[in-house]
Amino acid sequence: SQQGEEDPQALSIQEGENATMNCSYKTSINNLQWYRQNSGRGLVHLILIRSNEREKHSGRLRVTLDTSKKSSSLLITASRAADTASYFCATDVSGGYQKVTFGIGTKLQVIP
Amino acid sequence: DAGITQSPRHKVTETGTPVTLRCHQTENHRYMYWYRQDPGHGLRLIHYSYGVKDTDKGEVSDGYSVSRSKTEDFLLTLESATSSQTSVYFCAISESLGGQGAAYEQYFGPGTRLTVT
Repeated sequence: SQQGEEDPQALSIQEGENATMNCSYKTSINNLQWYRQNSGRGLVHLILIRSNEREKHSGRLRVTLDTSKKSSSLLITASRAADTASYFCATDVSGGYQKVTFGIGTKLQVIP
Repeated sequence: DAGITQSPRHKVTETGTPVTLRCHQTENHRYMYWYRQDPGHGLRLIHYSYGVKDTDKGEVSDGYSVSRSKTEDFLLTLESATSSQTSVYFCAISESLGGQGAAYEQYFGPGTRLTVT
């Protein structure tokens, strides 16, 4: 079964609005990562947050992590049409072989 | 893109035939992974490798085998393809991000779309 579950599975917003995606997971983690996938392409790493961090920023991205609730959120501010993609959270539980477990993803559509 | 290529990019094959997908990397990464991506399931790990001739199973390894005889190549073989193996297959490598604690990111190849008829 998937370690991470994203919510919502699909999201449609207007350009300029903020987009928030959530990820819940089941077991303790070393870190949590977010990836983006444009249609027909491989995944691209966006940001990593360690288990001892609560919030992290990268450009228009803001990630939060609540280990007590086993959840994370990804906020994209001032969205652009180019942000249209699927977004996946990935949790690292292995500690050894650099394996991550991906959620099923949130499909974001930003309407110009 | 961390120098990852996959071949072929598209393949149509018949049920029962063997299929081998190739992943090639040019930057001497130790860890390599094969995933499949299906609607409603996200990415699921098939097999991974942590060095030449060192491989292990992922969560959906049944019906698949892998080999890694050189650092740069990681092969995924479907011994006898079935329709349930119709999917998009992604290869990935892992690269350390440095800093305290184990932190790394995965770089993905462009994917191989496999159709088993």
